[in-house]
Amino acid sequence: NAGVMQNPRHLVRRRGQEARLRCSPMKGHSHVYWYRQLPEEGLKFMVYLQKENIIDESGMPKERFSAEFPKEGPSILRIQQVVRGDSAAYFCASSPNLRDTQYFGPGTRLTVL
Amino acid sequence: AQTVTQSQPEMSVQEAETVTLSCTYDTSESDYYLFWYKQPPSRQMILVIRQEAYKQQNATENRFSVNFQKAAKSFSLKISDSQLGDAAMYFCAYRSAKERGGNKLVFGAGTILRVKS
Repeated sequence: NAGVMQNPRHLVRRRGQEARLRCSPMKGHSHVYWYRQLPEEGLKFMVYLQKENIIDESGMPKERFSAEFPKEGPSILRIQQVVRGDSAAYFCASSPNLRDTQYFGPGTRLTVL
Repeated sequence: AQTVTQSQPEMSVQEAETVTLSCTYDTSESDYYLFWYKQPPSRQMILVIRQEAYKQQNATENRFSVNFQKAAKSFSLKISDSQLGDAAMYFCAYRSAKERGGNKLVFGAGTILRVKS
């Protein structure tokens, strides 16, 4: 059973560009979570999705950030008009249901020049 | 809101010896889950151990065990017979058991563990 997949592993964008981060959950997992890790800090929750629904986006910045988890395909975290402060590692996790342990992907390291 | 505190930014241990990493948390809830995750230089987040708050027995996974003190809101991780591969950043995390709000993990700032040969 393959683990949580994230791509790309590294992404470089210039200020003002868009960043798209992809996450494929483990097989059988319908719950996806996105976290952000700023340099030298712990992970911070951003958003929780189930198939086609955003359940909790309380940790998501109000502007420029959006997330989706379509019926088919991976979950996407989209950052529009990136700024230097968006440089961070973005982790996706998945679980089969709400009560189960969250398993993490390898993360996407976003660098904004 | 729940908070998780790891008061040791960095710890060192000699290979084959035992080390304990500290974690305290603040919550008004009675039912929740606690976790330790390991983040090696590869940056992958790896689950080390999980504890349900309603269980009095401390969780154990091979060389890793916890000391869960619910009244004191303390959740320390003990690593026995430390190995070079244990060197990593360790994060303590809390998750509510409530249906609403029970989805997010709240992480501490982490403790860097160095293992000396």
